[in-house]
Amino acid sequence: GAVVSQHPSRVICKSGTSVKIECRSLDFQATTMFWYRQFPKQSLMLMATSNEGSKATYEQGVEKDKFLINHASLTLSTLTVTSAHPEDSSFYICSASGLAGGHIQYFGAGTRLSVL
Amino acid sequence: GQQVMQIPQYQHVQEGEDFTTYCNSSTTLSNIQWYKQRPGGHPVFLIQLVKSGEVKKQKRLTFQFGEAKKNSSLHITATQTTDVGTYFCAGRDMRFGAGTRLTVKP
Repeated sequence: GAVVSQHPSRVICKSGTSVKIECRSLDFQATTMFWYRQFPKQSLMLMATSNEGSKATYEQGVEKDKFLINHASLTLSTLTVTSAHPEDSSFYICSASGLAGGHIQYFGAGTRLSVL
Repeated sequence: GQQVMQIPQYQHVQEGEDFTTYCNSSTTLSNIQWYKQRPGGHPVFLIQLVKSGEVKKQKRLTFQFGEAKKNSSLHITATQTTDVGTYFCAGRDMRFGAGTRLTVKP
């Protein structure tokens, strides 16, 4: 299957700092990328959907100024958690889909963020 | 957007027993996708169903899409320890159901 690389896999930061997470589709053009947040033993909560070259569409309750998403190319999307606080600690997962793949989502390995 | 409900939330079975998880939507789904997430891992695509009444099989896994395209099920025959994980369904809008966590006792 297609490969999606997510980096970093784990980050520990101090409260108030910003953290950038990258999501790359390695072998296909991802017209759409999705960002999810997952709490322990819970489902994936869709945070936002980003289409290449346009502004991301955020889910209700997700602060767009807090979670900045950039999808500048067909292979890269970034999520920046600005001024992170302990309550932002979570598992963040990206996924990518493209027209060639029939809108199937291919997931990155996830990023575990811990804010001290 | 579409909202999918998934039951049961947890299922613990003895190895060799069958397992079924159900996904229900309040609205008609254009398609439905199933994913599996192993403990500590990320979701992996299993299958996509598109047609009304569609049934697809992958070895011991059987996937069904309801006639009204509002529900779907995943059935595992004779579970094995390798089946352990959480099974999610997702509609076209990529919102996931709550998932069913399957544990298998050897």
